[in-house]
Order: sequence, then C-alpha cells, then structure tokens
Amino acid sequence: KQEVTQIPAALSVPEGENLVLNCSFTDSAIYNLQWFRQDPGKGLTSLLLIQSSQREQTSGRLNASLDKSSGRSTLYIAASQPGDSATYLCAVQGAGGTSYGKLTFGQGTILTVHP
Amino acid sequence: ETGVTQSPTHLIKTRGQQVTLRCSSQSGHNTVSWYQQALGQGPQFIFQYYREEENGRGNFPPRFSGLQFPNYSSELNVNALELDDSALYLCASSQRRGMNTEAFFGQGTRLTVV
Repeated sequence: KQEVTQIPAALSVPEGENLVLNCSFTDSAIYNLQWFRQDPGKGLTSLLLIQSSQREQTSGRLNASLDKSSGRSTLYIAASQPGDSATYLCAVQGAGGTSYGKLTFGQGTILTVHP
Repeated sequence: ETGVTQSPTHLIKTRGQQVTLRCSSQSGHNTVSWYQQALGQGPQFIFQYYREEENGRGNFPPRFSGLQFPNYSSELNVNALELDDSALYLCASSQRRGMNTEAFFGQGTRLTVV
C-alpha cells in the first residue's frame, strides 16, 4: 500500500527566503508525482507534474525534483512571498491496473510567509 | 480556473439523510475521480469513473456510489449520512493519455452532517 509523507507539517518563514518542502513515498512504482497548492477551504491547484522518467520540473519560482528510486521529491520555492502562504500537497499516481489515475496524497505542509 | 466545476459549494445535511454532489469535468476529459478531504488531512481516493464505468475504488463503504454520464460529468451519492462524512469533497478530471495523466481539481463541496 502506497504511503506518502510530507515534512515539515508546518513552516513559517520571512518574506524573501528560499525554502524546500519534502515528500517521500513508499512504493516506487509510480507514473508521476504532482505538487498542488490549496488555499483554506478551497480546491487544489496543480503546480507541477513530474513524470516518472523525469528528474525535475520548473515553473517560475518553483522547482520540483523527483528521485523515484529513493522515493523522494522536493519542492523548492525561491524568493518566497506572502501570497505563497497556503497548504502544499504532493500526490503520486500509482502504476497500472486499478491504480491508474488514483492519486495518493500526503497530509500537506502548511506554509506561512510573513512580511 | 481549471474548468472543473462542482455543485453545490456548501451543504448541510442531517445524519441518516442522503446527498448527491455534482461535478462537470474539464472539456475533453473522460475520467473523473472523487476524493474526500477531512479537516487537516490530505484527500483520500473514493473512486474513479472512466467512460461511464467505475474503474477503481478506495476504502469506502458501498453507501458511497457514483455515476458518470455520456458528457463525462459525474455524481457522487452518499446514503445514510454519518457525522464522520463531514468533509470537503473534491472532484478531479483528467484525460487518459498513455500512462500519464494530469489531474485538475474543482473547488470542492463542503458537506456538513449534523
């Protein structure tokens, strides 16, 4: 059974800092890994999708890496801003059969960026 | 904006009642998945529909059921509501393309059972 863990559970940083969010998963048989952002009480916004054959993806100030063999991913946020404050979730898509399309989520990292 | 819309946005029901939640998938997407997110937790997979058939189910009892229509929109039905069913229900749509699919989520339906 796939399990996804995110560390830290919460993070509070001053504006302008670079920061790293960590995600680990127990079963390396995945198709891809997605990072999402969730504002309080809202739905999920997809930030980055890394396919299992890729090592990293970048979008603006965000960079996500994937090491499938060790079951780890990191999300790097450069020059953080108060508007980045949200919960960040990582999710892996299992490979094959009835796992197709099913996402297994971590519990999220609550990020607060203060001015 | 993901193009995935859910209705209603908020709902209050009494224990024992039944509820239907609706989801319109993004244009061109043929797969819809439903997730339950309890407060402070990550979303949990309920089930997935592909071309109108259930195609995978998580650890949820049979009183959680669903439908997908020819236009790929979907419903989630929950019978005999329990207090623990109070959660944010999220719908995700995707288009199967080889082995990799990117999921796009709606804004969710907040269900409160009293």
